[in-house]
Amino acid sequence: AQSVSQHNHHVILSEAASLELGCNYSYGGTVNLFWYVQYPGQHLQLLLKYFSGDPLVKGIKGFEAEFIKSKFSFNLRKPSVQWSDTAEYFCAVSLLGFYGGSQGNLIFGKGTKLSVKP
Amino acid sequence: GAGVSQSPSNKVTEKGKDVELRCDPISGHTALYWYRQSLGQGLEFLIYFQGNSAPDKSGLPSDRFSAERTGGSVSTLTIQRTQQEDSAVYLCASSLEGFFNYGYTFGSGTRLTVV
Repeated sequence: AQSVSQHNHHVILSEAASLELGCNYSYGGTVNLFWYVQYPGQHLQLLLKYFSGDPLVKGIKGFEAEFIKSKFSFNLRKPSVQWSDTAEYFCAVSLLGFYGGSQGNLIFGKGTKLSVKP
Repeated sequence: GAGVSQSPSNKVTEKGKDVELRCDPISGHTALYWYRQSLGQGLEFLIYFQGNSAPDKSGLPSDRFSAERTGGSVSTLTIQRTQQEDSAVYLCASSLEGFFNYGYTFGSGTRLTVV
């Protein structure tokens, strides 16, 4: 079965440190890729998404992600984290069929909890 | 509505009782999804509706779980004879349509505790 792997369960950083969260998926076909964020006590929100074109995608709050097709990866990055970035981050994949349509639901990774120390 | 609305926000029930969880998607969104979020387990897919039909029920964990959607809008997830392992946050999401999946909008979830 197709799956999404997030390598780090919990990442602890100091403010101003750089962030990279890993995400790999197992599917040989075309995909749409997403990162969602869940701040403490809040619902899941879309951070950024990749459908096609430039593999470097910029999202909200200074986050970006790079799609590397050969590595089946979609890592999330931020040059300088802030205390307010403390949250749980989820990578998700939508598998696309022959005609480019989704094969159904998004497949989520297990999430990476980010704690930023002030 | 402006967002995806779920009710109740919290539910505590006794083992063996039935529960109903409700989801009201964004107006005009034809695709609706149910997920379950357990500690350390990420988001587990349960069921997906396109309109009123459910093309994919593969994620329902057992026959105690069922879901329906009426009028292409509100959906209800029912868990019969609840067990302690059913304790989790149940999330609903909707999207404009399912074929071209541009991403979901999530509700705040229902936290279910089975005691």
